[in-house]
Amino acid sequence: EVQLVQSGAEVKKPGESLKISCKGSAYNFANYWVTWVRQMPGKGLEWMGIIYPSDSDTRYSPSFQGLVTISADKSISTAYLQWSSLKASDTAIYYCARHSEHGTSWTPLDYWGQGTLVTVSS
Amino acid sequence: EIVLTQSPGTLSLSPGERAALSCRASQSVYSNYLAWYQQKPGQAPRLLIYGVSSRATGIPDRFSGSGSGTDFTLTISRLEPEDFAVYYCQQYGYSPRTFGPGTKVEIK
Repeated sequence: EVQLVQSGAEVKKPGESLKISCKGSAYNFANYWVTWVRQMPGKGLEWMGIIYPSDSDTRYSPSFQGLVTISADKSISTAYLQWSSLKASDTAIYYCARHSEHGTSWTPLDYWGQGTLVTVSS
Repeated sequence: EIVLTQSPGTLSLSPGERAALSCRASQSVYSNYLAWYQQKPGQAPRLLIYGVSSRATGIPDRFSGSGSGTDFTLTISRLEPEDFAVYYCQQYGYSPRTFGPGTKVEIK
């Protein structure tokens, strides 16, 4: 069964750095694009960016460009989302999700991680 | 960037009733690359419909999608208790991919 398992909840202070992870299993992780989605408390879904683990080709939403870094290590079937300096406004649940067809990102998101809650508070 | 608008914001209905959720795009969605997701409290979203009208694996046939160009509809023919949730549309034909703000279907 295809699964995306995300790292656990984090509590951080403003200005701290953070890297959260998303590990895929039961499919060829390298050949499927992975998307990251933000959901702020009580709000909707926001598309942050995507990565192709095979060659680490990465695209960002203009809203998140320069604010986060998306990366992947295909050898351990894991994608990452990281911040160098967190702000209180980064408090949200972050989901990773797999695109439904191998080799293309012009597809819907068929499998989702369980979400990682990031809380940034002084 | 394509902006998606969903209406109504909240839909109050009873089990057994029909639900019609609207998603309107600020420009024509490329190649009908339009999906619908369901999200229940405390859960990750789940893919329901893709390509405007194709049901994802395991999705019951009471869920159907229709539309083209800029106007799309998700219809739930007879609401079951487990269908009360928030529904999001998403276009995946242009970058950045964008989601609508969601429609909450609540029990009347």
